[in-house]
Amino acid sequence: GENVEQHPSTLSVQEGDSAVIKCTYSDSASNYFPWYKQELGKRPQLIIDIRSNVGEKKDQRIAVTLNKTAKHFSLHITETQPEDSAVYFCAASTSGNQFYFGTGTSLTVIP
Amino acid sequence: SAVISQKPSRDICQRGTSLTIQCQVDSQVTMMFWYRQQPGQSLTLIATANQGSEATYESGFVIDKFPISRPNLTFSTLTVSNMSPEDSSIYLCSVSSGLNTQYFGPGTRLTVL
Repeated sequence: GENVEQHPSTLSVQEGDSAVIKCTYSDSASNYFPWYKQELGKRPQLIIDIRSNVGEKKDQRIAVTLNKTAKHFSLHITETQPEDSAVYFCAASTSGNQFYFGTGTSLTVIP
Repeated sequence: SAVISQKPSRDICQRGTSLTIQCQVDSQVTMMFWYRQQPGQSLTLIATANQGSEATYESGFVIDKFPISRPNLTFSTLTVSNMSPEDSSIYLCSVSSGLNTQYFGPGTRLTVL
């Protein structure tokens, strides 16, 4: 089955700096890659996603890049703010049904 | 996106008992899923709840331990049977209406003593 690895497990940045979280996947058939943000005690919230026919997608301060050849995708957050502090999960899916999640990255934005 | 609710939001249960968790969506959805999130960990898919047929379980999860029902396109239940402290976790349902995207319910925090 699919194996998704996520790095780093923890990340601290100064407010205003950029944060990058990286994920790799093993199944070349995976074609959908969502990113979720989970604040303490709350449900995971979808923040951005990308499909395998696209190399990059941007939504305001958040962007995701996908390298199908290398089987990795990354989340980029620019101009970080304290409210960006949360745990971020990447996921990969082949069928749209089974999501395989990464282990999560705890992001802390220091004011 | 759909509004998803879960009941109960949390519970404390005794070892050996069972708990049924409900997931309700305010609109019809194609797919419903159940996940487990152990403290400080990632999300693990338990099963896909199929409307009108038996759920599809992931490796490591069995129907006797986690029976699932989905009587219609807006409702599903997950039962955690014969509980032990190792079952203490957050259980989340998620829904999808196609285009792959999944949205999560608020979760049920279960503590087994």
